[in-house]
Amino acid sequence: LAKTTQPISMDSYEGQEVNITCSHNNIATNDYITWYQQFPSQGPRFIIQGYKTKVTNEVASLFIPADRKSSTLSLPRVSLSDTAVYYCLVGERYGGSQGNLIFGKGTKLSVKP
Amino acid sequence: NAGVTQTPKFRILKIGQSMTLQCAQDMNHNYMYWYRQDPGMGLKLIYYSVGAGITDKGEVPNGYNVSRSTTEDFPLRLELAAPSQTSVYFCASSPPGTGSGGELFFGEGSRLTVL
Repeated sequence: LAKTTQPISMDSYEGQEVNITCSHNNIATNDYITWYQQFPSQGPRFIIQGYKTKVTNEVASLFIPADRKSSTLSLPRVSLSDTAVYYCLVGERYGGSQGNLIFGKGTKLSVKP
Repeated sequence: NAGVTQTPKFRILKIGQSMTLQCAQDMNHNYMYWYRQDPGMGLKLIYYSVGAGITDKGEVPNGYNVSRSTTEDFPLRLELAAPSQTSVYFCASSPPGTGSGGELFFGEGSRLTVL
């Protein structure tokens, strides 16, 4: 299982771009990288997923270097409502019997006015 | 399409009591998971299932049991409740044809207090 390491917390101000990096040195060939967002008293919510290079959707971008040993979640122009905990997960995307999907400690992002 | 439904949302138990947290999904998902989250902490995997009739232990299985008799339901049983089991419990599932790296869909959580 690929273990992930993220910063415990980050602070930002409204309107700034926020980049959260996750390390996953033991990522396997079939593993995908997925990021989740969690607000207090709610279950985590899927943000974005990728395998390599860059993925972009309406809320975030995910940058994955060629060696795939790390990934960076980029949140453009954050607002107060982006204050949440962000989790990086690594696991097989297609098939496989691996269901032991472990969340790390996550990164608590605090956005200030 | 209700997604992942957890019941009850809140429950208070006395030490030594037992109960079952219910989880149901109507998305025909193969994979289902139970996590617990203590205040201010991350999620810990309790048990997971890769399909009906197949379950396996996660990080913190002690004090819990699960069953998966159907694709839709994945109940979590607490036997002899202890204060250390006070937590918020989340059930999740992931789509068919994907492994554990697929998108997880979470329920709203069940807040359990053991006194």
